[in-house]
Amino acid sequence: DIVMTQTPLSSPVTLGQPASISCRSSQSLVHSDGNTYLSWLQQRPGQPPRPLIYKISNRFSGVPDRFSGSGAGTDFTLKISRVEAEDVGVYYCMQVTQFPYTFGQGTKLEIK
Amino acid sequence: EVQLLESGGGLVQPGGSLRLSCAASGITFSSYGMNWVRQAPGKGLEWVSGISGTGGNTNYADSVKGRFTISRDNSKNTLYLQMNSLRAEDTAVYYCAKFSQYWGQGTLVTVSS
Repeated sequence: DIVMTQTPLSSPVTLGQPASISCRSSQSLVHSDGNTYLSWLQQRPGQPPRPLIYKISNRFSGVPDRFSGSGAGTDFTLKISRVEAEDVGVYYCMQVTQFPYTFGQGTKLEIK
Repeated sequence: EVQLLESGGGLVQPGGSLRLSCAASGITFSSYGMNWVRQAPGKGLEWVSGISGTGGNTNYADSVKGRFTISRDNSKNTLYLQMNSLRAEDTAVYYCAKFSQYWGQGTLVTVSS
């Protein structure tokens, strides 16, 4: 199974400041079709997961452009350029390149 | 607007069974693989099972293999998860999802005596 490791697990951030979350996979997420199926999700308290980013760096419709994804192979990053109060929650990376699909442990973003 | 609406959760005793349903609307259901993901109280996300658009291919997490069965009825735009031999550690909110874009609101399954 592909193990997804996120760092940090907790990230206190000042409003208006940037935040960054790292996700590392135990093996390459490049699919045989050439795509890399690495996604990021946000889960606000009491809510279901909300997809933010797919295939490393593509934002879903309605996701603010302060969210960006980057990386390749086994190392990926989610960046928030300027954190807003509504960004509080837990962020997960996930891979759907290979079964079983797997998630990172989650990174809790909180305001200082 | 795409909607995924889960139902069928509830309280069940250890060793019991439950069938979850997920009604989809706003998408061409038969064109897409679908998945079940669960989240135990206060814990992270765990992929449970996936099924191809035709229903011909299914996959399971080791933790549920042999106990859970995923299926779909494309004529009813509905995804199912039959859960047998339930254990306390199966207690979770169960989400259906069309990866990576659409997730339901979830249904709570509690396994307890």
